[in-house]
Amino acid sequence: DAMVIQNPRYQVTQFGKPVTLSCSQTLNHNVMYWYQQKSSQAPKLLFHYYDKDFNNEADTPDNFQSRRPNTSFCFLDIRSPGLGDAAMYLCATSRDGNSPLHFGNGTRLTVT
Amino acid sequence: GENVEQHPSTLSVQEGDSAVIKCTYSDSASNYFPWYKQELGKRPQLIIDIRSNVGEKKDQRIAVTLNKTAKHFSLHITETQPEDSAVYFCAALRGAAGNKLTFGGGTRVLVKP
Repeated sequence: DAMVIQNPRYQVTQFGKPVTLSCSQTLNHNVMYWYQQKSSQAPKLLFHYYDKDFNNEADTPDNFQSRRPNTSFCFLDIRSPGLGDAAMYLCATSRDGNSPLHFGNGTRLTVT
Repeated sequence: GENVEQHPSTLSVQEGDSAVIKCTYSDSASNYFPWYKQELGKRPQLIIDIRSNVGEKKDQRIAVTLNKTAKHFSLHITETQPEDSAVYFCAALRGAAGNKLTFGGGTRVLVKP
């Protein structure tokens, strides 16, 4: 049931080299989220879109940006990845923000 | 903002025994409380959820209880099996003002055969 699809599953980038992670959904959900999850920790919300309205978490570094060009797609841009940005990045959707979240399989980012 | 505390951080049980994980939340406006199971290298999977107008919900071997007054909720797994071994996360959602889901710190459950 691959209704939230993240590409690629594994991404390797160099220190300081911009990287983009993508997420698409076939659920037509209004809300899309990006979470960062480091080993053995809880997912940490970076930001989310309610339709076109962008909501940034106060502690999300400026290095992280997001774009949602249409309902189906959402992108996470890391402008200058550092070693500390190596993590699993999870995209999730919700019909209206008050409903269960549907997670993608995640993209595991390695920074060399 | 919302703060969700989860205990214990690790839990080891014998196959067939019960496992209980407890969470507390700080924001009385939170009204939706899901539980996720995450196996190594995989995405979190919703296993059960409860809304604030319900005190208890059960699905086969899994049950969740909610005490709104005390602001805590618990996951109960009965007759544990080795495949229940995973990390479990509780979460709390404010339905308004940002629609943010806040996770607890997670509980690593190991079911010993």
